[in-house]
Amino acid sequence: KNQVEQSPQSLIILEGKNCTLQCNYTVSPFSNLRWYKQDTGRGPVSLTIMTFSENTKSNGRYTATLDADTKQSSLHITASQLSDSASYICVVSARSGGSYIPTFGRGTSLIVHP
Amino acid sequence: GAGVSQSPSNKVTEKGKDVELRCDPISGHTALYWYRQSLGQGLEFLIYFQGNSAPDKSGLPSDRFSAERTGGSVSTLTIQRTQQEDSAVYLCASSSGGVSYNEQFFGPGTRLTVL
Repeated sequence: KNQVEQSPQSLIILEGKNCTLQCNYTVSPFSNLRWYKQDTGRGPVSLTIMTFSENTKSNGRYTATLDADTKQSSLHITASQLSDSASYICVVSARSGGSYIPTFGRGTSLIVHP
Repeated sequence: GAGVSQSPSNKVTEKGKDVELRCDPISGHTALYWYRQSLGQGLEFLIYFQGNSAPDKSGLPSDRFSAERTGGSVSTLTIQRTQQEDSAVYLCASSSGGVSYNEQFFGPGTRLTVL
């Protein structure tokens, strides 16, 4: 069964600090991995996407890494801002016949305090 | 509008009633997904439409759930004989193609509460 596990479940940091969120997956056959940011009451918004051959991808202060051998990914947030407070969701897609079905992690809830 | 829209934003219903949730995808997007997000849980895939192909219904939890997509655009998710465990936020997403690396754009969701 395809699974995506994220840690920590929740995280509280001070504004300006850095943090790293983890994602482990057992999804096969692997197609790609996305990190989404979901603000409270809103739909998720994509931050980064990586395919099998990519090790790192940056989007502003967000940097995602992927180790396809160990099936692990991380999302590093640099110089956190209050607006970074949200749920961060790791999504891994596998090909199933002619479809690409994503498996979602439960997310890491990040709270940035001033 | 430029984004995915969903209606209603909130729906409260009594156990046993039928409900219909609507999704208007981004114009021109051929792929449309429905997900369910229960409190404290990750998003759960329900159903996937891609162009004129038969939908992938592998995520529908029971035969009380069904979805249609008319004219390759608007989609309706119907839940018959609602149960309390159906209470969740139902999210719709669309993308410009069926290839997995095409970004899915999500709507704001419909919060369903079954009393």
